[in-house]
Amino acid sequence: EDQVTQSPEALRLQEGESSSLNCSYTVSGLRGLFWYRQDPGKGPEFLFTLYSAGEEKEKERLKATLTKKESFLHITAPKPEDSATYLCAVQSQPQKLVFGQGTRLTINP
Amino acid sequence: ETGVTQSPTHLIKTRGQQVTLRCSSQSGHNTVSWYQQALGQGPQFIFQYYREEENGRGNFPPRFSGLQFPNYSSELNVNALELDDSALYLCASSLPNNEQFFGPGTRLTVL
Repeated sequence: EDQVTQSPEALRLQEGESSSLNCSYTVSGLRGLFWYRQDPGKGPEFLFTLYSAGEEKEKERLKATLTKKESFLHITAPKPEDSATYLCAVQSQPQKLVFGQGTRLTINP
Repeated sequence: ETGVTQSPTHLIKTRGQQVTLRCSSQSGHNTVSWYQQALGQGPQFIFQYYREEENGRGNFPPRFSGLQFPNYSSELNVNALELDDSALYLCASSLPNNEQFFGPGTRLTVL
């Protein structure tokens, strides 16, 4: 059975303090790994898709990387508006995404 | 381009009742997936519809059912509501095997 574990569960940073979020996964044939951002009470917002080990994608202060067992979401010089829960999901079957429990990120000004 | 919309935003029901949640897909998308998200957890896959047929199902009992219409909008129906059904219900639309884009969700409270 596909499994996704995210760490840490919660992370507090000062504005400008860079860090990384981890997503470890076990899956029978990875079709894609997805990162989403979710604000309280709202639906997840799509950020990135990664398909193969070694792939990297960037968007503003965020950079996602992928290995055969885990993915990292690097946040460089974060701002308070980057505060949110970041969700990682894997797809091994065409139909469904399997999500981790998320990392709740708080950026203090 | 119109994004994914869901209705209603909030809903309060009592145990044993039935509920219908609605979703309109993003323009051009023909696949709809439904997820249940309990507080503090990641979304869990309920099922997916493609061309009006169920195209995959997660570990949810048969009292969770769905429909997809010719315009690709969708409904999620839950019968015999239980307290544990209280959650945020998310709809996501996509093209087959592509990224899924989520709506704002419907917050269901079962008393």
